[in-house]
Amino acid sequence: EVQLVESGGGLVQPGGSLRLSCAASGFSFDTYDMHWVRQAPGKGLEWVSTIGIPFDTYYAASVKGRFTISRENARNSLYLQMNSLTVGDTAVYYCARDDLGIFDVWGQGTTVIVSS
Amino acid sequence: QLVLTQSPSASASLGASVNLTCTLSSGHSSYAIAWHQQQPEKGPRYLMKLNRDGSHSKGDGIPDRFSGSSSGAERYLTISSLQSEDEADYYCQTWGTGIWVFGGGTKLTVL
Repeated sequence: EVQLVESGGGLVQPGGSLRLSCAASGFSFDTYDMHWVRQAPGKGLEWVSTIGIPFDTYYAASVKGRFTISRENARNSLYLQMNSLTVGDTAVYYCARDDLGIFDVWGQGTTVIVSS
Repeated sequence: QLVLTQSPSASASLGASVNLTCTLSSGHSSYAIAWHQQQPEKGPRYLMKLNRDGSHSKGDGIPDRFSGSSSGAERYLTISSLQSEDEADYYCQTWGTGIWVFGGGTKLTVL
């Protein structure tokens, strides 16, 4: 079964850091681009970041310079290092698999709350 | 600028059909999109990829009640024989060079 499982969310103070993980299974992880997408409370989906197979990376303007996406193919894992967090980063964070530009597999999400 | 526009809400009766619309921004009318469903308190679920010519390919296990079509810059999701579990938010999504974009979502209410 193709599956993505996120972890690492939690409560963090403004200015703090958090590292999210996404464990992939059921497919050849090293042959797919991977994404992070977030959803603030009561809001729509927002693309956050993407990492390609040759490790090329892309970021939304709202997180560029603060977030770093990475992957460890040997562990079938995707990561998102989030620094300088603000209240505006409060959201459910989803990892998703890319199939020629579309998000064809989604995880269940992990919740990040930035609050003092 | 690559933008997707969706109506915030739609409603239809149980057993009826509904069309949801996603509009591509000017200059991007040839782009393919994807439709995703998000039921209450759940993560998103991929429904289908929809091309400019209306051809579409659905995700695993997506019922035949879900179909797509295209006209110019408009991309449509049609849900027939509406069921209560179809009440959800529906998002369209597309991509460009180094950017991925979601529409604002349409909240579908099944009456």
